[in-house]
Amino acid sequence: DSGVTQTPKHLITATGQRVTLRCSPRSGDLSVYWYQQSLDQGLQFLIQYYNGEERAKGNILERFSAQQFPDLHSELNLSSLELGDSALYFCASSPTGTAKAYGYTFGSGTRLTVV
Amino acid sequence: AQSVTQLGSHVSVSEGALVLLRCNYSSSVPPYLFWYVQYPNQGLQLLLKYTTGATLVKGINGFEAEFKKSETSFHLTKPSAHMSDAAEYFCAVGPGDNQAGTALIFGKGTTLSVSS
Repeated sequence: DSGVTQTPKHLITATGQRVTLRCSPRSGDLSVYWYQQSLDQGLQFLIQYYNGEERAKGNILERFSAQQFPDLHSELNLSSLELGDSALYFCASSPTGTAKAYGYTFGSGTRLTVV
Repeated sequence: AQSVTQLGSHVSVSEGALVLLRCNYSSSVPPYLFWYVQYPNQGLQLLLKYTTGATLVKGINGFEAEFKKSETSFHLTKPSAHMSDAAEYFCAVGPGDNQAGTALIFGKGTTLSVSS
């Protein structure tokens, strides 16, 4: 157990729908990072939140959004889902506002299947 | 912009043989470098990292990596492969000091197969 909790582990939904993925960071970590892992694109950075505020944005689509709550858990919202959004979504956490020297602790991921 | 290239999407070795997984990075300043391992149906686990200091870094499970600035490389090695080493391995780079950005950039991964 890495200490980073992601729910649900699996999600199957239809095109056009909206889903919410949840992440609780490791105790004491202030940053949460969201990544999308697919066979063709590899691990793509989506967005980072640090202590409740958006810190950095990567290749996140406009249909996707995220937030971090006062208790530091984070939610990734995916809307108007398309078949191509099917992927493994990872959450990772780090102690500070940057992962430069610390690296990440990863959760076990949420596998999203859009049908 | 920083980038990471992992040479070889798939590496196969025999049990007991040397493991060598290659990683080259692109960065204008000395970066922070990481290797992660992903077992099936699991998240990524940190194997080792280079921040500053000694260029030969030792990690968990007998793995080590050497930072070579002149070659912009950070190859991962293990002297003797074990069946349990079969997994996917990711090299990642973090922005160096005074560089913009906070997130790690990952390579596309190398799948290691170990045969008996």
